[in-house]
Amino acid sequence: AQKITQTQPGMFVQEKEAVTLDCTYDTSDPSYGLFWYKQPSSGEMIFLIYQGSYDQQNATEGRYSLNFQKARKSANLVISASQLGDSAMYFCAMSHNNAGNMLTFGGGTRLMVKP
Amino acid sequence: NAGVTQTPKFRILKIGQSMTLQCAQDMNHNYMYWYRQDPGMGLKLIYYSVGAGITDKGEVPNGYNVSRSTTEDFPLRLELAAPSQTSVYFCASSYSTASGDRTDTQYFGPGTRLTVL
Repeated sequence: AQKITQTQPGMFVQEKEAVTLDCTYDTSDPSYGLFWYKQPSSGEMIFLIYQGSYDQQNATEGRYSLNFQKARKSANLVISASQLGDSAMYFCAMSHNNAGNMLTFGGGTRLMVKP
Repeated sequence: NAGVTQTPKFRILKIGQSMTLQCAQDMNHNYMYWYRQDPGMGLKLIYYSVGAGITDKGEVPNGYNVSRSTTEDFPLRLELAAPSQTSVYFCASSYSTASGDRTDTQYFGPGTRLTVL
């Protein structure tokens, strides 16, 4: 069975500093996708970044990058130059190609950016 | 494009009542999903559809039903509401090629907050 683990329930970061949010996963599928979503206090789910299991390079999207270590089964999100608007819940998720690409979500990390 | 829209935004039900949560997307996505999010938790899949007329169960389907008669719409039906169904419900869609690439990215609606008393 697929599983996503986010071990940091909450984190603080100083504004303008970088922060890493941890995500480990477990799957026996050779092909899968890894996603990060942001959920601000308003409640919507905002897509941030995607990493495919066969991608050779780490994904980047603006201030977001994904530190993908396949052998360790980790897919950590790195946010550079944190902003106050980055304060939110962050969810790591994995897709399953043989189940309608359903997403399995981790429990989330609450990030709080200090001014 | 409006993206994924959901109605209503909020709803309070009494135990045993029924209701339908509406979801529509205008991105011509073939895959659609219903998730629920309980307080302080990640999302769990209720049902999904890979195209009009095709639906399948997810992790937590008990107490729910779905239908997909068109590409655009994917309503979720609660027949006999129970307090355990108090949750935030998210609809999502993607243009999936089942190849495990970025096109599988799911885009979410704003959610429906449901309380069953």
